[in-house]
Amino acid sequence: KQEVTQIPAALSVPEGENLVLNCSFTDSAIYNLQWFRQDPGKGLTSLLLIQSSQREQTSGRLNASLDKSSGRSTLYIAASQPGDSATYLCAVRANSNSGYALNFGKGTSLLVTP
Amino acid sequence: DAEITQSPRHKITETGRQVTLACHQTWNHNNMFWYRQDLGHGLRLIHYSYGVQDTNKGEVSDGYSVSRSNTEDLPLTLESAASSQTSVYFCASSEGTTGESFFGQGTRLTVV
Repeated sequence: KQEVTQIPAALSVPEGENLVLNCSFTDSAIYNLQWFRQDPGKGLTSLLLIQSSQREQTSGRLNASLDKSSGRSTLYIAASQPGDSATYLCAVRANSNSGYALNFGKGTSLLVTP
Repeated sequence: DAEITQSPRHKITETGRQVTLACHQTWNHNNMFWYRQDLGHGLRLIHYSYGVQDTNKGEVSDGYSVSRSNTEDLPLTLESAASSQTSVYFCASSEGTTGESFFGQGTRLTVV
């Protein structure tokens, strides 16, 4: 069974810092990996999607990398802002013969202080 | 814009009652999913469907059922609600080519 781990579980940084969130998974036979943001009491917002054949994806101040062979992904947030405060979830989708559902990590709770 | 909507957003029900949570998507996605989110467990898969008339059990399917009569809707039914089913429920759909998943806003269910 695919296990997804996110480190750290919580992180507090001052505004303006660059930061890295880590995600690891046990089975490298993935179809894609997706990073989500979840605000308290809200749904999941897709941030970045990386296909298994890709190494990284960028959107604005966010950059996600994927090293499938080592079972790792990182989410890099540049010049953090208080509005970035949220929980960040990493999820992997297995290859199609295991279904299209996502396996989630438990998230990293980020607080950016002014 | 295409979207995925869940209703109700909040519900309180009594133990033993049947409850149905609605999920409607306008993405025209074939793949739809139900997850529950609990502290300490993260999101776990309940049921999923790859198209009309197709339904499959996920990791935590006991006590739940789904039906898929059209592309847009995947209602989740709790046959006899239990306190252990108090949770936040999320519906999702995924795009066939890229596999990108999109989530609804969630339904907070409390079973008393």
